[in-house]
Parts: sequence; C-alpha cells; structure tokens
Amino acid sequence: GQQVMQIPQYQHVQEGEDFTTYCNSSTTLSNIQWYKQRPGGHPVFLIQLVKSGEVKKQKRLTFQFGEAKKNSSLHITATQTTDVGTYFCAGAPVTSGTYKYIFGTGTRLKVLA
Amino acid sequence: AAGVIQSPRHLIKEKRETATLKCYPIPRHDTVYWYQQGPGQDPQFLISFYEKMQSDKGSIPDRFSAQQFSDYHSELNMSSLELGDSALYFCASSPPTGEEQYFGPGTRLTVT
Repeated sequence: GQQVMQIPQYQHVQEGEDFTTYCNSSTTLSNIQWYKQRPGGHPVFLIQLVKSGEVKKQKRLTFQFGEAKKNSSLHITATQTTDVGTYFCAGAPVTSGTYKYIFGTGTRLKVLA
Repeated sequence: AAGVIQSPRHLIKEKRETATLKCYPIPRHDTVYWYQQGPGQDPQFLISFYEKMQSDKGSIPDRFSAQQFSDYHSELNMSSLELGDSALYFCASSPPTGEEQYFGPGTRLTVT
C-alpha cells in the first residue's frame, strides 16, 4: 500500500546543532504537510507545501518539497530545547481522495542542553 | 481561539464492549478526520468527512463506523473491542479555506 517513510527514526543533537528529517513517499503526492508532536501532546500543524520544488521558511525551520513531489525535508538551524518532539510529514497521494493523508513514520528529536 | 474538542479524554472498556468517541470541530470547519495512534507510532488515517458526507476511508476496521451530524460534530463508534484497539484516537478538523488539520487533544482508549 501507500507508504511514507521518514529518516532518521531518532536524532539526538546538542543544542545549537542543526537537524534534518527526510520524508519519502512511495507515490506522488498532491501536497505535503508537516506536524510537530510533543510528548504526550497532539500533532500541531507547521506548514503545507503544494508546488514541485517549493521551499518555505519559518524562522529557523526550512521546508522543501521535491521536484517529483515524492519527497520532502525539514531542516532546523541551531536547535533549541523547545524543538524537542516528534516531527511527522503527512502526504495526500494524488491517487487517493482529497481528504486522505498518510502520515510518515516520524522522527523523534531530542535536544541536549 | 476555539480548538477541537474530544470527549471523553480517557476511556476504559473491556474486550467485546462498545465505545463511542465524540469530536466537536472548530466552528465553521467543514472537514473532519479521525486518526488512530498506537504507542510510539504515527497517526493512522481512519476516515474523513467533508460537509457531513464521508469523504475518504483508510484503515478503519469493519467493527468501527463513524458519522458526522448536522451540527458538524462527529462520532466514532467502535464495537466488539479488541485489546489491539487500545490507542490514542485523534480527531482533526480543517477550514474551508485550507487543508491544514487542527488536532484535538485525543481520546485515550484502553481495552482490558
């Protein structure tokens, strides 16, 4: 079936280091969303990318959508302890309905002070 | 600002019992999603509704059913509960102007 994989599964970084998580879909996506989930919390929407090759920035976060619309990445510059959590991508396959999102396997980020 | 409301927040049921989870989307949001998240897992898409009509179905077991009512709230009905149904169940809603999903706090279901 349709799969969205993320790597790495876990990442421990020292505060101030950069962090990147990669999201790869087995099928072409109409758009991709990124969410952050703190331990014990619920996913919180960060951003949506729609266009092939799109790059968006939010302060220290940079999001990219691949040219083939099958992969995406989230890069955090100079991590802070507040960045701790699990980052999920969620893609809407073009072959599925409009309101069906497949979540990636997630990358759990730990930031060491 | 109003958020997605889910009730109950915690639910303990025994095997073979039934459960009903409720979701109240953000006012004026027209799309509702249901997800199941096991411990350490990613959210698994179950079902979605757009303007009170079922829109898409994911990995929702036949023992589960859902609907959206005229006031836009949604209910997830789960019957013949199994131990493996123990999980966090999230509801999310989206506005007419976009597809970003706003998640509720979740209902933690424990089946014993």
